[in-house]
Amino acid sequence: DGGITQSPKYLFRKEGQNVTLSCEQNLNHDAMYWYRQDPGQGLRLIYYSQIVNDFQKGDIAEGYSVSREKKESFPLTVTSAQKNPTAFYLCASSIGTGAGFTDTQYFGPGTRLTVL
Amino acid sequence: SQQGEEDPQALSIQEGENATMNCSYKTSINNLQWYRQNSGRGLVHLILIRSNEREKHSGRLRVTLDTSKKSSSLLITASRAADTASYFCATDEYQKGAQKLVFGQGTRLTINP
Repeated sequence: DGGITQSPKYLFRKEGQNVTLSCEQNLNHDAMYWYRQDPGQGLRLIYYSQIVNDFQKGDIAEGYSVSREKKESFPLTVTSAQKNPTAFYLCASSIGTGAGFTDTQYFGPGTRLTVL
Repeated sequence: SQQGEEDPQALSIQEGENATMNCSYKTSINNLQWYRQNSGRGLVHLILIRSNEREKHSGRLRVTLDTSKKSSSLLITASRAADTASYFCATDEYQKGAQKLVFGQGTRLTINP
């Protein structure tokens, strides 16, 4: 899983609660990403950040929020507005060559979120 | 959006046999990547092949790319039990002013001892 850590590994949320998933990298990468994975499915992009203090919505940003105050950290908040948040969440980073997303991405071990 | 689609969705073979997985995509690409995911874990990058390359090797992995057919294949030779995992292709796609990496739904590979 490279130099990316995610915590916690398992997270349980009650309906109506906001929860924050942590993602930290020590690879000195500029770009960071959050993906959602549902059982038996591929990855869908939630948010991405190509540089500190800047981030962009991905394909399924509704009900999620992020911040990028430090290069090494990209926390994801799952808000109560996300109607079906139970899923496996993966954080990734890449060097960020300025060419966008075409470079290799390095993934963390994931956080499994379950709504009770 | 979904750019790459893997085929088959699931593959079960005996240890020692070769495993072939295919990926098809819709639009032109700069490169195509293959990743592996062990159950409940993050993805691990296997290999990247650029649009001007036709074949690439890495250990027991062989990747081909046919841009005229918009398809790629991943061959794992002499499979081992440890190769049991899901395999995803990912292609770059230009959307809303930025390049994005778009993943397929994956092929679940099971190696039987």
